Amino acid sequence: DADVTQTPRNRITKTGKRIMLECSQTKGHDRMYWYRQDPGLGLRLIYYSFDVKDINKGEISDGYSVSRQAQAKFSLSLESAIPNQTALYFCATSDLGRPGGANVLTFGAGSRLTVL
Amino acid sequence: GESVGLHLPTLSVQEGDNSIINCAYSNSASDYFIWYKQESGKGPQFIIDIRSNMDKRQGQRVTVLLNKTVKHLSLQIAATQPGDSAVYFCAENVSFKAAGNKLTFGGGTRVLVKP
Repeated sequence: DADVTQTPRNRITKTGKRIMLECSQTKGHDRMYWYRQDPGLGLRLIYYSFDVKDINKGEISDGYSVSRQAQAKFSLSLESAIPNQTALYFCATSDLGRPGGANVLTFGAGSRLTVL
Repeated sequence: GESVGLHLPTLSVQEGDNSIINCAYSNSASDYFIWYKQESGKGPQFIIDIRSNMDKRQGQRVTVLLNKTVKHLSLQIAATQPGDSAVYFCAENVSFKAAGNKLTFGGGTRVLVKP
């Protein structure tokens, strides 16, 4: 089983619909993230959470919301989907990192969302 | 190298040759640099990282070089294999005392290994 599981893997929806992407992890990590990937633009951070009671906006949070239901679960919602939210979405986790070490992310396999 | 456009730069490499993937970063306050590999249909996977006070770090078949003077990072893959075909991302990490850290990804470089 994958350490970070995203559902659904693929979703096609229409403009204006509400969409939820779910993420669960078995890493035991406190930190969870949602990224969006568009061709040639790398990964951009939407929201992140350092623990169950902590939610923070990333660089492109407009049009999105999140919920951290438990340490292992972090969901991303699009309240009213629009075509320019068509993208590949990744959930990631990390722990506090080794002392003096980098914050290394473990990514899920991605959820491809198409908004028509 | 880096791309801010719609098309990924692509590096075509003959199997067995060495690959060099380049990355320019922007923030002189970055304390770590990380390379990720993304295979088709999968999420990015950690390859190697380097701290900003180092200029070279080696892993298994990979070497990362850091030149802070020109804000340039490279990933060298020795004896490139078909399984190395993927998109490679560099990321720069800035640590904040109270707010954790911020990770900024580059646009990625596609590596195609020719048999």
